[in-house]
Amino acid sequence: QITLEESGPTLVKPTQTLTLTCNFSGFSLSSSGVAVGWIRQPPGKALEWLALIYWDNDQRYSPSLKSRLTITKDTSRNQVVLTMANMGPLDTGTYFCAHFIYRHFDSWGQGALVTVSS
Amino acid sequence: QSALTQPPSASGSPGQSVTISCTGTNSDFARFNYVSWYQQYPGKAPKVILFEVNKRPSGVPDRFSGFKSGNTASLTVSGLQAEDEADYYCSLYVRSNYVFGPGTKVTVL
Repeated sequence: QITLEESGPTLVKPTQTLTLTCNFSGFSLSSSGVAVGWIRQPPGKALEWLALIYWDNDQRYSPSLKSRLTITKDTSRNQVVLTMANMGPLDTGTYFCAHFIYRHFDSWGQGALVTVSS
Repeated sequence: QSALTQPPSASGSPGQSVTISCTGTNSDFARFNYVSWYQQYPGKAPKVILFEVNKRPSGVPDRFSGFKSGNTASLTVSGLQAEDEADYYCSLYVRSNYVFGPGTKVTVL
């Protein structure tokens, strides 16, 4: 059974860098074809894909946010970390991590709400 | 990057069918079949209900079906039930990038 859980600060000040951790179990991020992704959702709005990291450490980012995002993995600890620089009020929302296989997200964490406010 | 459009809302009575469209704005959508659909209840994480246009994960009822032709994909929910009232998002995977549509709120009348 695959499980994922997001953790990180609930409140971030404008211009700060957000660091979110995804702890997962039930799969290995060293298995061919596997990836973990981050998706966010502002309150009352649509899902937005942010980043993917593949088993071979290939990293992919949303073109519109690429300059602000970094995704890394620690395979031995079953963790994926996302950092987002220069946070602003429009970055407020729920951030999900999810298991990615066969070109879709088949298992999701429950999400972490992040508010950007001074 | 591809952009996707969906109607903001759709509705139907119990037992009826509802179809949601998802249109891609460039040729990638027509060329690739990596379209997925997600169902999301308020305050919950999304759940995949279709991938690669029309493949259902284990446990998803066969009331959910998908189709794609050219630049448009569609999700049909047959035999609408109260529990189908949710937001539905289409998505496209192409060139190692991912994009979600704006979502469609389905209301069961």
